[in-house]
Amino acid sequence: EAGVAQSPRYKIIEKRQSVAFWCNPISGHATLYWYQQILGQGPKLLIQFQNNGVVDDSQLPKDRFSAERLKGVDSTLKIQPAKLEDSAVYLCASSWGLAGGITDTQYFGPGTRLTVL
Amino acid sequence: SQQGEEDPQALSIQEGENATMNCSYKTSINNLQWYRQNSGRGLVHLILIRSNEREKHSGRLRVTLDTSKKSSSLLITASRAADTASYFCATREKLTFGTGTRLTIIP
Repeated sequence: EAGVAQSPRYKIIEKRQSVAFWCNPISGHATLYWYQQILGQGPKLLIQFQNNGVVDDSQLPKDRFSAERLKGVDSTLKIQPAKLEDSAVYLCASSWGLAGGITDTQYFGPGTRLTVL
Repeated sequence: SQQGEEDPQALSIQEGENATMNCSYKTSINNLQWYRQNSGRGLVHLILIRSNEREKHSGRLRVTLDTSKKSSSLLITASRAADTASYFCATREKLTFGTGTRLTIIP
């Protein structure tokens, strides 16, 4: 079974520039998550999709971050404009998405390491 | 907000010894999951324990859950160098991870 794919793996940009990350979840997984992991911290959920609908985006800085999951499969996360504090690893994960049990297990991609200069 | 918090923050043990790390959370849960993260990589799911379970085993891993104390523990037996990683717990309700336990196995 193919895992969660993310690209690019690394990105270096200057502050105030824009950047986009792409995620392809495991085939058939209804739920997709984007996390931000700052060095030395645990992952912080930015947004959760169930198919192409948003379940939770309460921690997404909506003034600069946006995400979409058209057709309920692939997803993109965009930052515009980037700030120095956005330097982090951006992790995408997916799960089968049914409530309450083994289907909650999340499968993570390798992440995109963003450096904002 | 719901949050899993791991303790200790760092742990170093000799290879072959057992490692125990703990997780506390704040509200009622449906299930609790443990993940491992090797340096520079994504998280890997280790084990899920449901709220009506008290103990679960998977290979060298043993997880316990005490819902009255809102806590869980992860025991890794007969540790190996490859177990060196950060370990996180997470609950389904808020999908918030703590800062993790950084485990170092000394050969």
